[in-house]
Amino acid sequence: EIVMTQSPAYLSASPGERATLSCRASQSVRRNVAWYQQKPGQAPRLLIYGASTRATGIPARFSGSGSGTEFTLTISSLQSEDFAVYYCQQSNQWPPLTFGGGTKVEI
Amino acid sequence: EVQLVQSGAEVKKPGESLRISCKASGYSFTSYWIAWVRQMPGKGLECMGVIFPDDSDTKYSPSFQGHVTMSADKSITAAYLQWTSLTASDTAIYYCARFFPDPVGGRFDYWGRGTLVAVSS
Repeated sequence: EIVMTQSPAYLSASPGERATLSCRASQSVRRNVAWYQQKPGQAPRLLIYGASTRATGIPARFSGSGSGTEFTLTISSLQSEDFAVYYCQQSNQWPPLTFGGGTKVEI
Repeated sequence: EVQLVQSGAEVKKPGESLRISCKASGYSFTSYWIAWVRQMPGKGLECMGVIFPDDSDTKYSPSFQGHVTMSADKSITAAYLQWTSLTASDTAIYYCARFFPDPVGGRFDYWGRGTLVAVSS
């Protein structure tokens, strides 16, 4: 099973700041990583797939990068609606499809 | 418009059985995998497994194999998750999601709103 490890677990930031979230895979997953945003009481929402492709309707301030075992989600300028929990997920080797433990971005 | 509509919240006692549903619309149901994802209270996301509705090919995550059963009825474009004997540790929100194993990046691209299952004596 591929283990996805996210850091930090909590990220405190202010609106307008840049946020950088990390995700590490226990073995190479090539570029088969997706990122999701989850707000309280809501289902997760797909942000990024293929490590760097934004999903439909996702603002350009969200960007993804990386390959192999190291991946990054960057929010270039935090908006109030971006405070949420973010998860990475690998699909290179499944089952099982695995998620990271999440990063909570808080004010 | 792609939609995954899940059944309502359930309150059950330990030892009881349960089946929850996920009704799909707006796309070719038999062309995409459906996944079930568990979120325990205050915790992260865990993929329990996936099912391909066209032939009901099912792939369970090892942690969930033998504890739940996934099924699908393509005639009514619905997927199901069932338990034969619930325990308190099954208390969670269960999401269904469409999984697209795209070679350029597999992803859960559409999600249901979740079904809360509460198990308590």
